[in-house]
Formats: sequence, structure tokens, C-alpha cells
Amino acid sequence: DTGVSQDPRHKITKRGQNVTFRCDPISEHNRLYWYRQTLGQGPEFLTYFQNEAQLEKSRLLSDRFSAERPKGSFSTLEIQRTEQGDSAMYLCASSLEGVGGYTFGSGTRLTVV
Amino acid sequence: DAKTTQPNSMESNEEEPVHLPCNHSTISGTDYIHWYRQLPSQGPEYVIHGLTSNVNNRMASLAIAEDRKSSTLILHRATLRDAAVYYCILESLADYGGSQGNLIFGKGTKLSVKP
Repeated sequence: DTGVSQDPRHKITKRGQNVTFRCDPISEHNRLYWYRQTLGQGPEFLTYFQNEAQLEKSRLLSDRFSAERPKGSFSTLEIQRTEQGDSAMYLCASSLEGVGGYTFGSGTRLTVV
Repeated sequence: DAKTTQPNSMESNEEEPVHLPCNHSTISGTDYIHWYRQLPSQGPEYVIHGLTSNVNNRMASLAIAEDRKSSTLILHRATLRDAAVYYCILESLADYGGSQGNLIFGKGTKLSVKP
């Protein structure tokens, strides 16, 4: 297993465009999380899935953001009508329910120009 | 708001032990103490976690105060590869006993290691 994979690693987009990121978790992990990290800050929780069910969403997840995990495996995070304030590193993590320790991916760095 | 307090930065010499402190005075009985570290341009990496007893693994040791209001991450021999931001995080368990998956990161401690 190669760990948590995120694609793309970097994305530059113009303000107002839509972007979609993909996360492939560790195959046996049933939980998947999305975090956002801006420069100089720690990661901030956005949302998490247990299998295909989205169980919790942060207030940070505005209506322009949507996350899916249709088959309980990979997940996508879409941002519609991007704004400059969306520029950040978007991190995905996965874990096995009931077991401590989350495995993070290397993130997707989004730059909105 | 982060529920833990850590120094902004610390320095260490290579091959010497490092003690990274964390205060969590409002910890509740079902909060686990987690430590993660983050190297530049990487996602956070799990280091260690514990509840009440001290814990050891191949990466580090975690010393938890008897009242659980503070903890210390111990790197026994710092190497240049240990230079990173270290986060101390409380993970709350929901009433049903399951994690809510919401790790609250603070700004962490930036550890510099001098050769």
C-alpha cells in the first residue's frame, strides 16, 4: 500500500472557476477526512466520511464546497466559483474506525489567481 | 479554538534528546492525546498517542502527567530529519465511544535541529 494519495499535487486556477480534487485513502481504512491548511496555520477540519456516509461537516465548508465518497473508497472535494481566500493546502487523511492514528496524504496546493 | 498550548519554537542539537511540552488543562476523561509532526510540503505524520499511561514506540515516547493536564513528547536522539512542526492534539470520543474525526490542530511547535 502506498499510503494516502492525493491528486493533483498543485492546482492553479482563475477566480470563479470550479476545481475538483481527488483522494485515494489506504484501502482498508473506512474513514476519510478532508482538512484545509493555510500558510503558518495548522490544518483545519472540513468534513469526514465513514464508508460512503458523510457524518460531519465543519462550518468552514460553505455551500461552494462539496465532498463525495460514492463507493466508500476514493473521495472528491469540489470547490465551485473559487475565491482567492480558497488558496490553501487541502489535505486528505484516512483511518480505521476504532484505531488511533490518522494517515495524511501530501495534500493538494490550490492557488486562486 | 485549539485546546492545547505549545511553545512556538524550540531548538535542539543533533543526537541530543528533545522534550516537547504541551499543556491541555481542559482535557476531559475521554480525550486521547495525539502527537503529529509535519515536514515542509508534506501532510502531517502520526507520531504517537495515549490516554493515561506513558507510551513508547519506535519514533518517540509520550509522557503524560498524572493529572493529564500536560504531556511531553520525547525524541530520544534528535536527527536533522526530525526538524518539523510538532502538533499536540486532543481527540475527543463521542458519547457512543467513537471518534468524531475532528482533530483540532493549533499552530504547533517548530523544532529546529542543529548539526
